[in-house]
Amino acid sequence: EVQLVESGGGLVKPGGSLRLSCAVSGFTFSSYSMNWLRQAPGKGLEWVSSIDPSSAYIFYADSVKGRFTISRDNAKTSLYLQMNSLRAEDTAVYYCARNYENRNYENRRYYYSDIWGQGTMVTVSS
Amino acid sequence: DIQMTQSPSSLSASVGDRVTITCRASQNITNYLNWYQQKPGKAPKLLIYAASSLQSGVPSRFSGSGSGTDLTLTISSLQPEDFATYYCQQSYNVPRTFGQGTEVEVK
Repeated sequence: EVQLVESGGGLVKPGGSLRLSCAVSGFTFSSYSMNWLRQAPGKGLEWVSSIDPSSAYIFYADSVKGRFTISRDNAKTSLYLQMNSLRAEDTAVYYCARNYENRNYENRRYYYSDIWGQGTMVTVSS
Repeated sequence: DIQMTQSPSSLSASVGDRVTITCRASQNITNYLNWYQQKPGKAPKLLIYAASSLQSGVPSRFSGSGSGTDLTLTISSLQPEDFATYYCQQSYNVPRTFGQGTEVEVK
């Protein structure tokens, strides 16, 4: 069974740090790029960060660049998000998701989040 | 960054209705567009990728169309389980921006 299980969320004070984990099972983790996305309470979805299978290509949203670090351990089939200098506006449910790459007959690459975890809540408040 | 604007922000519909949601991109994204469905308290679910390709397991009443800057999601005959919020997302470049969402409510 394919599963992505996030953990590590909680209540943290502004300026604090938190490390999220995403344990993956049911597919060959080392073959896929992965995403972190988030959703503030009552708001829409926001892409946060992506990492390719070898950790060679990493991307961040401007809103978290310089504060968040995405990483992965293919041996442990786990994805991580180290979050530093947290702000109130980082309060959200954080989701990990598989970033599937689909190539068509023209060799165009289409990326989409096809498998999601259940999410973990991060609250930044004093 | 590419801005994605969905319309309407919400709509009221009845079971059996045909529903259309539009996503407008601030620049040409050809067909690099995904559609997701989200129900309260749940993770989003992928419906459509590459603007018109149906994800495996998604009912055929869902369809996507369009290219360029104006793309649409259509539900041909709304079912009770389709009341949810729908998001578009461009995959043309990074950051992979989302629309603000369209809530489909019971009329």
